[in-house]
Amino acid sequence: AQSVTQPDIHITVSEGASLELRCNYSYGATPYLFWYVQSPGQGLQLLLKYFSGDTLVQGIKGFEAEFKRSQSSFNLRKPSVHWSDAAEYFCAVGLISNFGNEKLTFGTGTRLTIIP
Amino acid sequence: GAGVSQSPSNKVTEKGKDVELRCDPISGHTALYWYRQSLGQGLEFLIYFQGNSAPDKSGLPSDRFSAERTGGSVSTLTIQRTQQEDSAVYLCASSLAWGQGINLTEAFFGQGTRLTVV
Repeated sequence: AQSVTQPDIHITVSEGASLELRCNYSYGATPYLFWYVQSPGQGLQLLLKYFSGDTLVQGIKGFEAEFKRSQSSFNLRKPSVHWSDAAEYFCAVGLISNFGNEKLTFGTGTRLTIIP
Repeated sequence: GAGVSQSPSNKVTEKGKDVELRCDPISGHTALYWYRQSLGQGLEFLIYFQGNSAPDKSGLPSDRFSAERTGGSVSTLTIQRTQQEDSAVYLCASSLAWGQGINLTEAFFGQGTRLTVV
C-alpha cells in the first residue's frame, strides 16, 4: 500500500539556523509530492509541489524541496529559519487510488519549534 | 466565497447524538476531500469526491460515518451515534481535477470543524 512517512515528530532549531524536514514515500511510480504548513490556529497552506521536471522545487516563504527518486524522498529545506516558521509541516503524496481517482495521502506531520 | 468554508467551526455534542458537518468548496472545484485530524496525529483521509464519479469512501472508519455531495458542490459529513473517539478536527479541502495527465493543482483547505464529544 502507498504510504508517506515523516520520521521526525518534533524538531527544534534556533532562529537563523538551517532546517531539513524529512519525508519518504512508498509507491511504485513517481507520485505527485506536496508540502503543506499548518500554523497555529490556521488552516493548511501549500508550500510547494512536485510533479515532474527539475527535482529541486522552490516554494513560498523561502522553502525548497528536493525529490530524490533513488531514496524515495522529498525533503523540505530552508537555509535560515525565522520565528514565524514555527508550525506543523505535512508532506503529502498524490496517488491514483484503487477507485481510479486521485487521492491525497498525508504524513503524520513534523512539529517545528524555533528557539531564540 | 474566496475559500473553502466549513461550518460550524466548533461543535460540542453528547455521546450517542448525530452530527452534521458542512463544507462549501471553492466554486468550480470538482474534487472535494474530507480529512480528520486528531490531537497529535496527522491527517487521516476519510472520503474523496471527484465530479460525478463514485466517491472513494475507503477512509471512512465505520458505518457511522457517511458523506454526501449535492449538485457537485456542497458536502455534508454525517456522524451517527457519536463516540468520544470521534473527537477531532474535521478538515475539508477542494481542488480542480488533477492527475491522469491533468495539470497538477493544489488542494485548498478550510479552517476545519472542531468536534468534541462529551
